[in-house]
Amino acid sequence: DGGITQSPKYLFRKEGQNVTLSCEQNLNHDAMYWYRQDPGQGLRLIYYSQIVNDFQKGDIAEGYSVSREKKESFPLTVTSAQKNPTAFYLCASRDRVTEAFFGQGTRLTVV
Amino acid sequence: GQQLNQSPQSMFIQEGEDVSMNCTSSSIFNTWLWYKQDPGEGPVLLIALYKAGELTSNGRLTAQFGITRKDSFLNISASIPSDVGIYFCAGRNTGNQFYFGTGTSLTVIP
Repeated sequence: DGGITQSPKYLFRKEGQNVTLSCEQNLNHDAMYWYRQDPGQGLRLIYYSQIVNDFQKGDIAEGYSVSREKKESFPLTVTSAQKNPTAFYLCASRDRVTEAFFGQGTRLTVV
Repeated sequence: GQQLNQSPQSMFIQEGEDVSMNCTSSSIFNTWLWYKQDPGEGPVLLIALYKAGELTSNGRLTAQFGITRKDSFLNISASIPSDVGIYFCAGRNTGNQFYFGTGTSLTVIP
């Protein structure tokens, strides 16, 4: 079955650590996105990539980094520079004829 | 970054009632989308609208793309318990950037 998979579903990070969230899709979509969701707020764009080896900052990129070495994969690293990383992170992908298709999300908690 | 104004923020309704929520923007969009999110899951696309004035249905759901291209509404008729969740609107502009509303939390009381 085609889809978009995020892992892990739950992640705990100690302060000062970097952690990487995985996002893999087998939909052959060109564009991939990372969003952050906080309670009572909409989805805020962290980074997006329209094509392999290219990505752009979204509205809240500070403290995050991404790579797009393969079409199927768009991992997000939450660095120690992100001072308030506890949130629900959503990955999405789309192509020119489909709308954004979301993964199941990763809940990151700082302990 | 832009966020869309979505209202109401939350709704508590009796099973069987109709529901209406809307989304407004200060900018023009060429696509409006409505998503539903269950707790702890990713949003799922319900309806996509591509033309000003377009009215589209998906079962008990009906959505419209406003004539001004700055607003959209979603109606749910005859609500059932599984309609519970958070509903998000999203707009896409000519630059292919998406902007999301703040969400409407729906609770259906059996």
